[in-house]
Amino acid sequence: GAVVSQHPSRVICKSGTSVKIECRSLDFQATTMFWYRQFPKQSLMLMATSNEGSKATYEQGVEKDKFLINHASLTLSTLTVTSAHPEDSSFYICSARRDRGETQYFGPGTRLLVL
Amino acid sequence: KNEVEQSPQNLTAQEGEFITINCSYSVGISALHWLQQHPGGGIVSLFMLSSGKKKHGRLIATINIQEKHSSLHITASHPRDSAVYICAVRLGEETSGSRLTFGEGTQLTVNP
Repeated sequence: GAVVSQHPSRVICKSGTSVKIECRSLDFQATTMFWYRQFPKQSLMLMATSNEGSKATYEQGVEKDKFLINHASLTLSTLTVTSAHPEDSSFYICSARRDRGETQYFGPGTRLLVL
Repeated sequence: KNEVEQSPQNLTAQEGEFITINCSYSVGISALHWLQQHPGGGIVSLFMLSSGKKKHGRLIATINIQEKHSSLHITASHPRDSAVYICAVRLGEETSGSRLTFGEGTQLTVNP
């Protein structure tokens, strides 16, 4: 199947700093990328959907100024957690699909710990 | 009531057993996904279904659109199959912005 990578896989940062997470589709061009957050023992929660070249659509309750999403190319999307706080500690997962009607492929996730 | 419900929540089996995980949903969908999440967190897309049945190795996924129900079967289960299996559906019509709705997941443990 298609491969989606995320970097970094794990990050520990101090409160107040910003963290950037990269998501790449390695062998296909992704018109749509999705960013999810998952807390322990819980299901994935969609944070935002981004289509290449346009602004991301954020889910209700997700602060767009805190979670900056850039989908500048068909193979790369970035999520920046600005001024991170301990409550932002979570597992962040990106997903990508080539086109509507096609399979969504998931990245391996990034575990963020904010001290 | 969740739009996507899975059963059972937890399942323990002995190596070699045939395993079935069920998923029911309450509204029309354009596609259903079965995902596997290992303890490290990474998610693998196992199947995407809109009708009928798909098979890949020891895994079989079926969907009944009329009954709004899908099953994931694992034949000859192995300890390496131990993971959380997640059913996810794309509700309504397929659009560029349509999103997946996830079930709570089924924690499968296969003992040697």
